[in-house]
Amino acid sequence: NAGVTQTPKFQVLKTGQSMTLQCAQDMNHEYMSWYRQDPGMGLRLIHYSVGAGITDQGEVPNGYNVSRSTTEDFPLRLLSAAPSQTSVYFCASSYGAGLAKNIQYFGAGTRLSVL
Amino acid sequence: DQQVKQNSPSLSVQEGRISILNCDYTNSMFDYFLWYKKYPAEGPTFLISISSIKDKNEDGRFTVFLNKSAKHLSLHIVPSQPGDSAVYFCAASERGSGGSNYKLTFGKGTLLTVNP
Repeated sequence: NAGVTQTPKFQVLKTGQSMTLQCAQDMNHEYMSWYRQDPGMGLRLIHYSVGAGITDQGEVPNGYNVSRSTTEDFPLRLLSAAPSQTSVYFCASSYGAGLAKNIQYFGAGTRLSVL
Repeated sequence: DQQVKQNSPSLSVQEGRISILNCDYTNSMFDYFLWYKKYPAEGPTFLISISSIKDKNEDGRFTVFLNKSAKHLSLHIVPSQPGDSAVYFCAASERGSGGSNYKLTFGKGTLLTVNP
């Protein structure tokens, strides 16, 4: 029962570098999303996807790109890292329909530092 | 503008007593509410939820109460145990297109400490 798997767990970048945070789920969930957690800010939605080939912006999308080519994977790309993107990033997934539609299952997170 | 508010950053209770965590919301379109629990260096885990058509949902030691007129919900933990010490997030969603609620709006969280 892998659930939602995020890689890497830790990453240090220099300003201007690019990287991709990986997220994979094995629960055949339709809905996937990316959040960032900053001290005292709770979790804020970056991007989300309601199915393969469909993505949309959340509350704080600037500086991030996403794509959803398969049901299982939802990578988050930082195009040109900035110190303001230092945060803990969580990927989540849910069924997207029915009574359990809103119960999102989270990965363990990726802690990113941008110097 | 914060749509989901958890006004208490922290709460400390004695083992065996009741813990009450509070959450207020401003968006009247929210129709589903969830509580998540988060330990350090782990992702949030789902705890309990409630639909807006109910005013109470219970699961073991955990009960969530919803007061729609006051736009307020609370999580009761009875009895509290040291293992309950964690950050608790309140989250809410509103009915999206196609009848499916996709996006969660989170509060800032409350750190619960249960002392032995």
